[in-house]
Amino acid sequence: EDKVVQSPLSLVVHEGDTVTLNCSYEVTNFRSLLWYKQEKKAPTFLFMLTSSGIEKKSGRLSSILDKKELFSILNITATQTGDSAVYLCAVIRQGGSEKLVFGKGTKLTVNP
Amino acid sequence: NAGVTQTPKFRVLKTGQSMTLLCAQDMNHEYMYWYRQDPGMGLRLIHYSVGEGTTAKGEVPDGYNVSRLKKQNFLLGLESAAPSQTSVYFCASSYSGLAGLYNEQFFGPGTRLTVL
Repeated sequence: EDKVVQSPLSLVVHEGDTVTLNCSYEVTNFRSLLWYKQEKKAPTFLFMLTSSGIEKKSGRLSSILDKKELFSILNITATQTGDSAVYLCAVIRQGGSEKLVFGKGTKLTVNP
Repeated sequence: NAGVTQTPKFRVLKTGQSMTLLCAQDMNHEYMYWYRQDPGMGLRLIHYSVGEGTTAKGEVPDGYNVSRLKKQNFLLGLESAAPSQTSVYFCASSYSGLAGLYNEQFFGPGTRLTVL
């Protein structure tokens, strides 16, 4: 059965800290991995990673995929209170399936 | 450009009642999706549509029906609501499916449904 596991489930840090969120997967016919940020309402897209070892960056956020070890990390540097959210990881499979396999998310709380 | 909108935002039903959730998108997207999000379960796909007039089952389709009569709208129906359907429902749309180049899914704000 396909599985996406995120860790930790929750994390509390102070503003300015750097955090690393983990996502490991066991998915048949892996194609790509996605990261979403979910604040109070809709998830919003952050990154899609398809190739191993290539870092994607957007401001203070960055992510990398390791297809050999079957995991991805999401780094956030110099955290701000606005980074508080649930971060979701999801995997796309090859073969035309429209099912995204989601992890349960990591809840990040950044305190001032 | 409103993106993806959902109505209603909140609803409380009694067991056995029926209702329809409406999703609308103004981005001319072909693909639309309905998910449910439960605590500790992540997002799970209920049904999806690859274009006007088409629908397909996702991971947890039982108890739900959908229709896509117009490209911009995707309706999710509960014919006889059960307490197990208490959840937050998200609609999403994308230009291409997951196998395509433009596969980013844009999510609506969600509908919180409680079935008593």
